[in-house]
This record gives sequence, structure tokens and C-alpha cells, in this order.
Amino acid sequence: NAGVTQTPKFRILKIGQSMTLQCTQDMNHNYMYWYRQDPGMGLKLIYYSVGAGITDKGEVPNGYNVSRSTTEDFPLRLELAAPSQTSVYFCASSYSIGGGSWKDNQPQHFGDGTRLSIL
Amino acid sequence: DAKTTQPTSMDCAEGRAANLPCNHSTISGNEYVYWYRQIHSQGPQYIIHGLKNNETNEMASLIITEDRKSSTLILPHATLRDTAVYYCIVRPRGGSGTYKYIFGTGTRLKVLA
Repeated sequence: NAGVTQTPKFRILKIGQSMTLQCTQDMNHNYMYWYRQDPGMGLKLIYYSVGAGITDKGEVPNGYNVSRSTTEDFPLRLELAAPSQTSVYFCASSYSIGGGSWKDNQPQHFGDGTRLSIL
Repeated sequence: DAKTTQPTSMDCAEGRAANLPCNHSTISGNEYVYWYRQIHSQGPQYIIHGLKNNETNEMASLIITEDRKSSTLILPHATLRDTAVYYCIVRPRGGSGTYKYIFGTGTRLKVLA
């Protein structure tokens, strides 16, 4: 099992450029997430998805877009890169049985991250 | 959402038990306690979680106080590979908040040879 795979691992962008961070999972998880982690800080949620075709904003969504056309893939798009978006980006996935069940306690599984520098 | 408080850093001798505390005094009855760790900027790795009973798995033990206001993660025989940042997180069980992990800055555990 590959788990959660993120590409690329490293990238340098110029201000104003755009790019897509790729994330794919092979665990048939319905929930997927994007986080960013700034130096010395904890992770902050950017966007999440509860299934194909459904996405919603997290804590820090400004400057980012997402789409979820399949269960496996959850790409993150930066349209106009800014220096403030220099960070490490982590994708995660989990299985949720939904419906507000008290049994819904499955952990999130994380990829190894994409290190993005914007100069 | 319940907040957690953890010491910034701790040291532990190799082979000894590492006891990492977490305070979550505002935890509500429907919130689980989760522990993750992050080794050298890799993606966070799930360790263990619990609601109110103590839990044990192949990686660690989780001790939750009876009032649920604090917990301790125990690594029984710490090795150098356990050097990492450890995050204590509370999240609701079920409902729309199940996705919501709030990461603090965690405890930086250094295992010493």
C-alpha cells in the first residue's frame, strides 16, 4: 500500500506563478485534507473534502483552490503565488462513516509533504 | 473546540519510558484525544487515540485522567528513533467536526543516547 502520495516533493516558484500540488491515496478513504505548516508551527487546515464533488474551506483557504473529481485524488491549486505561501504542504486522508455516528473516530493518514518556496 | 496545552520540549534517556503530558481542561464529553508525532518534518504519524479509558497499542500507551482534563502518552522504552515532535489533539466524535484537527506546537521530545 502506497498510502498518501504527494508530488512534487520540492518546488521553487516565482511570485505570481501558478502551480498544482498533487495528492492521491489508495486506501479508498472518503475524506481528504490539505494542511500547511510554517516553520516551528503546527499544521493548519486549508481545505477538506468529504467525498468526490464536495469540498469546503478550512482555517486558511485564501489564495488556494481545490477540486475532488475522484475518490483517490485531491489536487491543491495556487493561482498567484505569493511569498506568504512559502510553506510545507501536507495532504491527508481518512475514512468516515458519516451520519454523525459516535463510532466515527478513524485517524488521518498523512503524506510526506511538498516543500514550496516562493521567491 | 477544546484546546490543548503541552510542554515545549522534553528530554528522555534511551531505554527509559518517555511520559508526555497534555492538558485539555475544556474537553467535552464527545471529544476524543489523539496523539500524532512528526519526525524531522515528515508527515504526522498517528500513534494512538482514546475517549475515556486507557489505551495501549504496539507503539504507546495513553492514560486519560478520570475527569478527562489531561492525558499522558507513554513510550515504554524510548529509542533514538522516537525523537520527534508529539502533538496532542482533541476532536469531536461524529458530526461535522470530525475533520477538524487543531494542531498546536506540540512537545519536542529528544531521546538521548
